[in-house]
Amino acid sequence: AQSVTQPDIHITVSEGASLELRCNYSYGATPYLFWYVQSPGQGLQLLLKYFSGDTLVQGIKGFEAEFKRSQSSFNLRKPSVHWSDAAEYFCAVVFTGGGNKLTFGTGTQLKVEL
Amino acid sequence: GAGVSQTPSNKVTEKGKYVELRCDPISGHTALYWYRQSLGQGPEFLIYFQGTGAADDSGLPNDRFFAVRPEGSVSTLKIQRTERGDSAVYLCASSLDSRSPLHFGNGTRLTVT
Repeated sequence: AQSVTQPDIHITVSEGASLELRCNYSYGATPYLFWYVQSPGQGLQLLLKYFSGDTLVQGIKGFEAEFKRSQSSFNLRKPSVHWSDAAEYFCAVVFTGGGNKLTFGTGTQLKVEL
Repeated sequence: GAGVSQTPSNKVTEKGKYVELRCDPISGHTALYWYRQSLGQGPEFLIYFQGTGAADDSGLPNDRFFAVRPEGSVSTLKIQRTERGDSAVYLCASSLDSRSPLHFGNGTRLTVT
């Protein structure tokens, strides 16, 4: 079955430390891949997306993500976290033939310690 | 410019009542989506409109849920005979077309008591 997994429910990092949020998908082909961020009381904001081509994708707010076909992963990274990055992060995919219908993971809540 | 607007931001209703949730998409966006986000979960797809027609309603949980978009702009999600399990944040998103990124509204928090 097609699915998206974010294995880490909560992650805490110190401000200035590096960050990696994990995302894996289960699918026979390569889907379209996205990362969204959701701050309290705010709508989901698109950080970056991967459709094809270069497997290292740059996004907004200094985030990047790398698509690894062999691992069916699309992990989100940031070299130095800021306190304002504290939020919930969702990985999402569009499976082939799914139009623009996003399937979301369960999210990772990021806490930043000052 | 204006983003996706959802009203009301909060709605409290009693079990068994009927509710309507409204979504104003970004002007010119032809595609509109409804998602439901329960506590501790990621958003789950409900329905997708391309223009006035529902192109995919496979995520609607049962026949108590219905959505319309009569003029291809504003959409209303309607829930009949609400149940406590319907309590969630209902998110609306729009996109320029079916291949463009989605822009989400802030959601309507529905609480069924």
